Parts: sequence; C-alpha cells; structure tokens
Amino acid sequence: AQSVTQLDSHVSVSEGTPVLLRCNYSSSYSPSLFWYVQHPNKGLQLLLKYTSAATLVKGINGFEAEFKKSETSFHLTKPSAHMSDAAEYFCVVSEGGARKLIFGAGTRLAVHP
Amino acid sequence: NAGVTQTPKFQVLKTGQSMTLQCAQDMNHNSMYWYRQDPGMGLRLIYYSASEGTTDKGEVPNGYNVSRLNKREFSLRLESAAPSQTSVYFCASSVTPGQKREQYFGPGTRLTVT
Repeated sequence: AQSVTQLDSHVSVSEGTPVLLRCNYSSSYSPSLFWYVQHPNKGLQLLLKYTSAATLVKGINGFEAEFKKSETSFHLTKPSAHMSDAAEYFCVVSEGGARKLIFGAGTRLAVHP
Repeated sequence: NAGVTQTPKFQVLKTGQSMTLQCAQDMNHNSMYWYRQDPGMGLRLIYYSASEGTTDKGEVPNGYNVSRLNKREFSLRLESAAPSQTSVYFCASSVTPGQKREQYFGPGTRLTVT
C-alpha cells in the first residue's frame, strides 16, 4: 500500500538560507511523486513531479527534488529562501494503476527576514 | 482560461441541512476529483470520476454523494450535514486518471457545520 510521511510538520528558515523539506514514501511499485504548494487560503499548485525519468527534478520558483529509491525519499530543496516561499508544502505519491493521489500531512514553511 | 472553479467559497450550515458544492473545469480534462482537507491530515479523496458517466468512492465517501453532470462539471452533495463534515473542500481535475498525471486544483470551499 502507498503512504507518504513528511518528516517535519513545521520548518522555519531565514530569508536567503537553504530550504530542505523531507519526504519519505512507501510504495509496492515504481511510484510517481509530486510536490504541491498551498499558499494561505489558496488552492494547491504543482511545484514539480517525478515520473521515472531523471532522478533530479527541477520545478518552478527554484525548487528541486531528488528521487532516491534506496532511501525511499523525495526531499524538496531550494538554495535560497524567499519571503514568498512561506506556505504549506505537500508531498504526494501515486503508483501504477492507481487513479488517485495519496497526500502527506504537509509541512508548513515559515521564512523570516 | 479559468482552470478549475468552485462555488461557493464559504458556507455555514446547520446540522441536518443539505447543500451541493459545484465544480467546473475548462481544460477539457476527463477526470475529476473531490477532496477534503483537515488540519494535520493532508488531503483525503472523497469521490472521483475517471471519465464522464463514471464515479467511484475514494477514502472517505460516507455522508457524501456526487454527480458528474457532464465533462466539465462535477458536484458534491451533502444530504444531511454533520459537524464532522466541517472542512475545506477541494475539487481537482486531470487529463486522464493515469499514475503520471498531475491534478489541477480549484481554490476550495470552506464549509462550517454548526
């Protein structure tokens, strides 16, 4: 069965410092993995996705994530945080034949001046 | 191109009342979904429609019904609202239901049941 664990419910960084949001997944098959971002009182927006091509995936707004099968991880990183990055981030998994996405509980990112 | 739209944005119901949440997409997508979002639990799938004319239960379907009215529209009905249904509801769509297909989300409906 599929599942997703986001290891931190809250992450706080200073503007200009690196961001690391951690995600581990459990899947019986070769999964597809996604990161979505949700700004306050808004819908979800796709940041990036992994679908079995390159293991390092680049997304919008300078974010990237690396798929590591041996560690069952798909951590999200950004070299330099911006105030506008403050939001909630969801790691999501979907596996072969599935018609639905399984969401992690979310990580709330705070960015301080 | 509005993407996925939802109405209403906010709603307050009393226990036992009924209501329908509306969702429409203008991207010619085949698949549509309804989720609820509760604090600390991410999004959970209520119902989905892989294609026009089909609907299937998701993870938390109890207390809800859906109608895929046409290819564009997918509505969610609460027949007898309960306080446990207080949540934020999101509609989403995708080109097809395949594993690699990302979903596009609407802005959400914030529902409070008193």
